[in-house]
Amino acid sequence: DGGITQSPKYLFRKEGQNVTLSCEQNLNHDAMYWYRQDPGQGLRLIYYSQIVNDFQKGDIAEGYSVSREKKESFPLTVTSAQKNPTAFYLCASSLQGRGSEQFFGPGTRLTVL
Amino acid sequence: SQQGEEDPQALSIQEGENATMNCSYKTSINNLQWYRQNSGRGLVHLILIRSNEREKHSGRLRVTLDTSKKSSSLLITASRAADTASYFCATDVVDDYKLSFGAGTTVTVRA
Repeated sequence: DGGITQSPKYLFRKEGQNVTLSCEQNLNHDAMYWYRQDPGQGLRLIYYSQIVNDFQKGDIAEGYSVSREKKESFPLTVTSAQKNPTAFYLCASSLQGRGSEQFFGPGTRLTVL
Repeated sequence: SQQGEEDPQALSIQEGENATMNCSYKTSINNLQWYRQNSGRGLVHLILIRSNEREKHSGRLRVTLDTSKKSSSLLITASRAADTASYFCATDVVDDYKLSFGAGTTVTVRA
């Protein structure tokens, strides 16, 4: 099955801890994205990557970090510097860059205890 | 910043009725996309309409785009319970890489 997977589905973190959210795709897509969704709101872009070993900040990158060492993988680290990390995190990928249809993973719900 | 805004925020209809929601945006776009999100899940792409297109159909979905008014509408005909979801418009802005998503319209289809 081709698709995009995220793990874990639910994640609990204590204040002051860093956590890493996994995102993997086997669609052979070049571009990958991380979004944050808060209740009743749309998606806000955290980071995106158009190609391996390259990524750019989105609208709300502060307190987050990413890496893109492999085409299939785009992990997101939520650091202790992120003041309000409790949210639903969505990873997406697209075949091409700008304006292409994006394919989304099932999401990770992060809760800070 | 949020480029697209959906209206209404929420919509409740009877099964079999049509559902219409609108999206307004602020700056020139290359294309506009609509996505569906079931509760607690990822988004699913529904349809993409380019800036030089005025109307597009996909099954029970009809999308219109009016670039002079900077607005788009999504019509779901003969709604079903399975159409219960949140619907988002996303714009691909000229001279910007990102897709910009609105806050969504929550549609509830009553049996």
